[in-house]
Amino acid sequence: LAKTTQPISMDSYEGQEVNITCSHNNIATNDYITWYQQFPSQGPRFIIQGYKTKVTNEVASLFIPADRKSSTLSLPRVSLSDTAVYYCLVGDIRNAGNMLTFGGGTRLMVKP
Amino acid sequence: EPEVTQTPSHQVTQMGQEVILRCVPISNHLYFYWYRQILGQKVEFLVSFYNNEISEKSEIFDDQFSVERPDGSNFTLKIRSTKLEDSAMYFCASSDRDRAGHNEQFFGPGTRLTVL
Repeated sequence: LAKTTQPISMDSYEGQEVNITCSHNNIATNDYITWYQQFPSQGPRFIIQGYKTKVTNEVASLFIPADRKSSTLSLPRVSLSDTAVYYCLVGDIRNAGNMLTFGGGTRLMVKP
Repeated sequence: EPEVTQTPSHQVTQMGQEVILRCVPISNHLYFYWYRQILGQKVEFLVSFYNNEISEKSEIFDDQFSVERPDGSNFTLKIRSTKLEDSAMYFCASSDRDRAGHNEQFFGPGTRLTVL
């Protein structure tokens, strides 16, 4: 299982773009990169997933360089409600039913 | 938007008592999971369930734990004899394979279990 490393915490201000980088040096060929968000006292929520290059949805963008040893979650123009813990997960999720392995995550604090 | 629901939101019990945590997964999903999160710690996988049997379980999921899908909608986690260290938030999740084969899991709001 690929180990992930991400900052323990980050601070930002409303309206700024936030980039959270995750390192996964031993990512395997069949592994995908998935990001989840967790608000206090709630369950994690899927944000975005990718395999290589760039993926964008209505919430975030995910940048993955060619060597796939890291990835960056980009949140455009954050608001106070984006204050949460963000988890980077790496694993082969092609088979439905695979467990998710969460690390410590990055605690993002958005200030007014 | 369909969502996973869990009851109760908070359960307080005495050490040694049995508890049953209940979940209603999203209706067309086929894969079900339980995770737990001890206060201030990371989310930990307990068990996955598919086609009426356990697919995978972690070391945490010992003989004191069991899961069941008693009918077409509910998915339960039973702890037979609770210990103080079972105090945690328990999350139920469900998923179904989408067209790309990616396994996005949808989590419920959790049940906070407090063992006294």
